[in-house]
Amino acid sequence: AQSVTQLDSQVPVFEEAPVELRCNYSSSVSVYLFWYVQYPNQGLQLLLKYLSGSTLVKGINGFEAEFNKSQTSFHLRKPSVHISDTAEYFCAVSDILNTGTASKLTFGTGTRLQVTL
Amino acid sequence: DTGVSQDPRHKITKRGQNVTFRCDPISEHNRLYWYRQTLGQGPEFLTYFQNEAQLEKSRLLSDRFSAERPKGSFSTLEIQRTEQGDSAMYLCASSLGPGRRGNTIYFGEGSWLTVV
Repeated sequence: AQSVTQLDSQVPVFEEAPVELRCNYSSSVSVYLFWYVQYPNQGLQLLLKYLSGSTLVKGINGFEAEFNKSQTSFHLRKPSVHISDTAEYFCAVSDILNTGTASKLTFGTGTRLQVTL
Repeated sequence: DTGVSQDPRHKITKRGQNVTFRCDPISEHNRLYWYRQTLGQGPEFLTYFQNEAQLEKSRLLSDRFSAERPKGSFSTLEIQRTEQGDSAMYLCASSLGPGRRGNTIYFGEGSWLTVV
């Protein structure tokens, strides 16, 4: 069974400061990894995904994440945050089906990023 | 793409009543997923379809829950005899699949259920 741990439930940060949101996963097989963002009262929007290849993945809105297989981590980073980045961020993992497709997603409990002036 | 569409966005119902949610996936997406999200938690998988076939159901999907996708397009999620513990946001998602095109799963805005 897979699991995802997001170690920080809340991360306060000042605008224009860098931020890192941590994600660790547990799985006995190869996986795909995702970060989603959720704004208040809305659904989830994909920020970025790691499928294979380069371990540094760039996504939308200036976010990037690095896959570290030995540490089973997929931390999300942004060098300079904006007020508009205030939202809930979810890390997710999926098995890889024999067709190369992601199976269902298993999510972490989320990290609330609060950006202030 | 018009995105994944869910209806209704909000539903308040009395305990014991039945409710039904509808999801319209992105056109040509043959995979459709249902998730449930409670306050302060991440989404939890309920079930998914490939075309009209329901391929997997979570243990969270009790016998009061039923999902259908009769023509492989839209899907419905029905909850019978609702309980207060059913209060949550029900998220629908879709993707192209199988194959690597199915590796981006798009979510709808969600349907909020409040059971009073």
